[in-house]
Amino acid sequence: DAKTTQPNSMESNEEEPVHLPCNHSTISGTDYIHWYRQLPSQGPEYVIHGLTSNVNNRMASLAIAEDRKSSTLILHRATLRDAAVYYCILSDSAGGTSYGKLTFGQGTILTVHP
Amino acid sequence: DAGVIQSPRHEVTEMGQEVTLRCKPISGHDYLFWYRQTMMRGLELLIYFNNNVPIDDSGMPEDRFSAKMPNASFSTLKIQPSEPRDSAVYFCASSFGTGFAIQYFGAGTRLSVL
Repeated sequence: DAKTTQPNSMESNEEEPVHLPCNHSTISGTDYIHWYRQLPSQGPEYVIHGLTSNVNNRMASLAIAEDRKSSTLILHRATLRDAAVYYCILSDSAGGTSYGKLTFGQGTILTVHP
Repeated sequence: DAGVIQSPRHEVTEMGQEVTLRCKPISGHDYLFWYRQTMMRGLELLIYFNNNVPIDDSGMPEDRFSAKMPNASFSTLKIQPSEPRDSAVYFCASSFGTGFAIQYFGAGTRLSVL
């Protein structure tokens, strides 16, 4: 399975942008890049996903490097509610052994200061 | 839709007892996933079903664990006999399709085996 590497923790101030990096140098052409987050005492929740192009939704933006070996989750204005563990995950869409599986790493613990 | 519903939210049992965790996926979803989360091992996929059929149970730790999906709206994860090392938070998730489909997680069941 292709692996991802994320910083253990990051800090931000409220209402400032946050850029959460993820390295995935062994990504294959059919791997989607997913971001999920887990708020304290809750189940993971979907944030965003993409394949090659940058993506935007109401929660965040996903910037994908041209060679797809890294990506960045962008929270445009962090709030206290965004404090969570953020997971960057690759999912095989082509029917390989990891097809459909989400393999969670340790993620990045985001702390947001008031 | 009410989302993925898990019960009970908390379970405390004694070593050697049988434990049954329950999950109701989102209506219309054809994939169901069981995960386990511990401090030591993080979030691990145990098993997943497609159209009520188990597809991959390679994450199930040992024969004491079993999972069933008798119909599209109900699944169980059973541990018999339970051991203290089974203490964890167990999450159920469902999705429509897979590959890059969004998984929706329940709130989890916190299991404590004394």
